[in-house]
Amino acid sequence: GQSLEQPSEVTAVEGAIVQINCTYQTSGFYGLSWYQQHDGGAPTFLSYNALDGLEETGRFSSFLSRSDSYGYLLLQELQMKDSASYFCAVGGATNKLIFGTGTLLAVQP
Amino acid sequence: DTAVSQTPKYLVTQMGNDKSIKCEQNLGHDTMYWYKQDSKKFLKIMFSYNNKELIINETVPNRFSPKSPDKAHLNLHINSLELGDSAVYFCASSQVQEADTQYFGPGTRLTVL
Repeated sequence: GQSLEQPSEVTAVEGAIVQINCTYQTSGFYGLSWYQQHDGGAPTFLSYNALDGLEETGRFSSFLSRSDSYGYLLLQELQMKDSASYFCAVGGATNKLIFGTGTLLAVQP
Repeated sequence: DTAVSQTPKYLVTQMGNDKSIKCEQNLGHDTMYWYKQDSKKFLKIMFSYNNKELIINETVPNRFSPKSPDKAHLNLHINSLELGDSAVYFCASSQVQEADTQYFGPGTRLTVL
């Protein structure tokens, strides 16, 4: 089967750095994606890693280690608007995305 | 311009009724999806269409029937609604070769009473 594990909640303060981890078990792995979802909103694509290493997009970075079946999303210079749920997702040969259970990030002043 | 749109945004109905949700995308994508997000925020794929052809059909009750009249539209019809169908339903789209990068509609919150 396929499964992804993420912490259910993370709390951090404005201006800080936070890392949200994701471990996965899947067959036919193509890559790891991250999505952000604000309360009441739609999931929004943040980043995608197909190869090992770090991808940086502004304040957000995403890392993948295929050998460890592990990735993380790094958010720097946290802002209040970053309070949201963050989902990792794995894609495979079937063009199907399997989403993790999501991590609720609370940014405090 | 809205990229992926869904109607209606809210749907409140009685058990046993039949309802439809419509989705349209203007991104020129060839693949569209339906997801169900439950009260615990678990997001699960239900169906996917590529150029009007069904390519993903998860273990979903056959009361749920998707229809894609063209590659820009994907509708979801639900028969004999049950309490457990209450959820937020999201439509999404992508290019088939970039299925990891999906664009989601605003969602339809379905409440079955």
